[in-house]
Amino acid sequence: EAAVTQSPRSKVAVTGGKVTLSCHQTNNHDYMYWYRQDTGHGLRLIHYSYVADSTEKGDIPDGYKASRPSQENFSLILELASLSQTAVYFCASSEGHNYAEQFFGPGTRLTVL
Amino acid sequence: KTQVEQSPQSLVVRQGENCVLQCNYSVTPDNHLRWFKQDTGKGLVSLTVLVHENDKTSNGRYSATLDKDAKHSTLHITATLLDDTATYICVVGDRGSALGRLHFGAGTQLIVIP
Repeated sequence: EAAVTQSPRSKVAVTGGKVTLSCHQTNNHDYMYWYRQDTGHGLRLIHYSYVADSTEKGDIPDGYKASRPSQENFSLILELASLSQTAVYFCASSEGHNYAEQFFGPGTRLTVL
Repeated sequence: KTQVEQSPQSLVVRQGENCVLQCNYSVTPDNHLRWFKQDTGKGLVSLTVLVHENDKTSNGRYSATLDKDAKHSTLHITATLLDDTATYICVVGDRGSALGRLHFGAGTQLIVIP
């Protein structure tokens, strides 16, 4: 069954530490996205990618890097985690953009202390 | 500035009752509007998508309308079940950007009680 999986599902990190969130999709989709969700706010786009070995900045890229080593895998990297990056992070994939439905992973709850 | 506003913020209904969720947006130019269901601790799952002016869709007990002139959408849930307890998120696609950027509402938290 086609799916988007994320790991870890939850993580506690220390301020200034490096954090890597991983996403894997079996949808054979070209587009992949990383969003963050903060309580009381809508999801916001951090980075996205439409082809392997290439990533693009979203609306809030500061403090985050992304890596797309293959069509199936997309990582979000926090080189120096900060308290303000405590949030739930969602990965999604889609066949294209515009009308194309995005399929979401279950999310990763990140707490930075 | 928030471009997608949902109301109410939260809603409690009894099992079997109907409910209506609202979505107002200011995204311009707007492409499509999609409603998602997010169970606690889970990802977003699409319920329905509306594309054209005055679109109406139906997906089982879920039905939705779109008024593009008013930039307003409603999601109706009939005969609610306990499993309908979730956050419902309205998302508007932006036709003006190359990516087709999505604008997410903060969601309406629906709680269905026995």
